[in-house]
Amino acid sequence: DTAVSQTPKYLVTQMGNDKSIKCEQNLGHDTMYWYKQDSKKFLKIMFSYNNKELIINETVPNRFSPKSPDKAHLNLHINSLELGDSAVYFCASSQDLSGVSYEQYFGPGTRLTVT
Amino acid sequence: DQQVKQNSPSLSVQEGRISILNCDYTNSMFDYFLWYKKYPAEGPTFLISISSIKDKNEDGRFTVFLNKSAKHLSLHIVPSQPGDSAVYFCAASAGDSWGKLQFGAGTQVVVTP
Repeated sequence: DTAVSQTPKYLVTQMGNDKSIKCEQNLGHDTMYWYKQDSKKFLKIMFSYNNKELIINETVPNRFSPKSPDKAHLNLHINSLELGDSAVYFCASSQDLSGVSYEQYFGPGTRLTVT
Repeated sequence: DQQVKQNSPSLSVQEGRISILNCDYTNSMFDYFLWYKKYPAEGPTFLISISSIKDKNEDGRFTVFLNKSAKHLSLHIVPSQPGDSAVYFCAASAGDSWGKLQFGAGTQVVVTP
């Protein structure tokens, strides 16, 4: 029973296209995140949502737009894809932001390749 | 600006021996530290954490040590097993950062028979 799931697992697309990655968690967590792992393997936070409200928005191009229809889902839409967007994108969730639990649970990742 | 650093990209250790992974940080506001383990083509999995009010936390074969004055933490795995072969990420968070984790670059651990 997958705790944090992402679809698709692999995504190959051409420059200029628009694509979406979906994420769902069944842990009952209040907070969800998107991370990007670049070619140097650094994991960097992009966004976080708490109960459907945007909390963290790092310096990410506005071509990236997260959407949280409910607290169990956080989707990532990317417009006008560029070569530099090629990376692995991870979704994660955590119980809350109270500081009681910082542990984040990650999905399996979506490998995006822009050609 | 990389605030969490793992200076050893790889570590090879014999099965049964101790693995020691190191992590340094620069931000004195960090008050919670975590270690994650990652297998290829999978997401990171939470391993163990430590609050800045402690200097040691132990969970089975895994122990994390925190030296606040040196801004250094380490993960000890004893004894190392072949299934421990993975990439290990150190991560840190500050109390006012809304759960934002800053990750190190990771250390690839290979446990040999």
